[in-house]
Amino acid sequence: GESVGLHLPTLSVQEGDNSIINCAYSNSASDYFIWYKQESGKGPQFIIDIRSNMDKRQGQRVTVLLNKTVKHLSLQIAATQPGDSAVYFCAESGLETSYDKVIFGPGTSLSVIP
Amino acid sequence: EPEVTQTPSHQVTQMGQEVILRCVPISNHLYFYWYRQILGQKVEFLVSFYNNEISEKSEIFDDQFSVERPDGSNFTLKIRSTKLEDSAMYFCASRGTVGYQPQHFGDGTRLSIL
Repeated sequence: GESVGLHLPTLSVQEGDNSIINCAYSNSASDYFIWYKQESGKGPQFIIDIRSNMDKRQGQRVTVLLNKTVKHLSLQIAATQPGDSAVYFCAESGLETSYDKVIFGPGTSLSVIP
Repeated sequence: EPEVTQTPSHQVTQMGQEVILRCVPISNHLYFYWYRQILGQKVEFLVSFYNNEISEKSEIFDDQFSVERPDGSNFTLKIRSTKLEDSAMYFCASRGTVGYQPQHFGDGTRLSIL
């Protein structure tokens, strides 16, 4: 079935280190991927997105990598800060659903150790 | 930065009662969505809405659910006869254009059914 999977429910990193959050997706027809950050009591906040015609995209302190061969997505956060502590969701979308339906993975909880 | 706003932040309702959750999407957006998140679980798609009609809905979105855009700014989700299992966070999202654009989420309404 359609799903975006999360395979490390919790991640703890030292402040200042780089964080890598991984995600596997199962729908090879998906061609648009989004990372969201969710802080406690808040809604998902858009971080960065990538289309399937790219394998890397960089933002401010964040980089998303896409490996379509193995259907794998990762989010790299440089110089992780306490404010980065949150749950991170990868999400997928695509032409099959006219990009209307975003399918979320189960999330990774990132804890930053001061 | 434009935001999606949702009211109320917390709604407590007796089982069997009707509830209406309200959202004000980002003002120039044309695509509107509702998602829900049961405590500790991933975000699940409920329904998408464009041009005054539902464009897609999930299995969760049964006959007890309805959506409406009563005016130019509000977007509502109604649950006609609430059940205990409807207890969840409900998120509204909006998107400006079709295709490769992220959905932007509000901070949600926590619905508690007693």
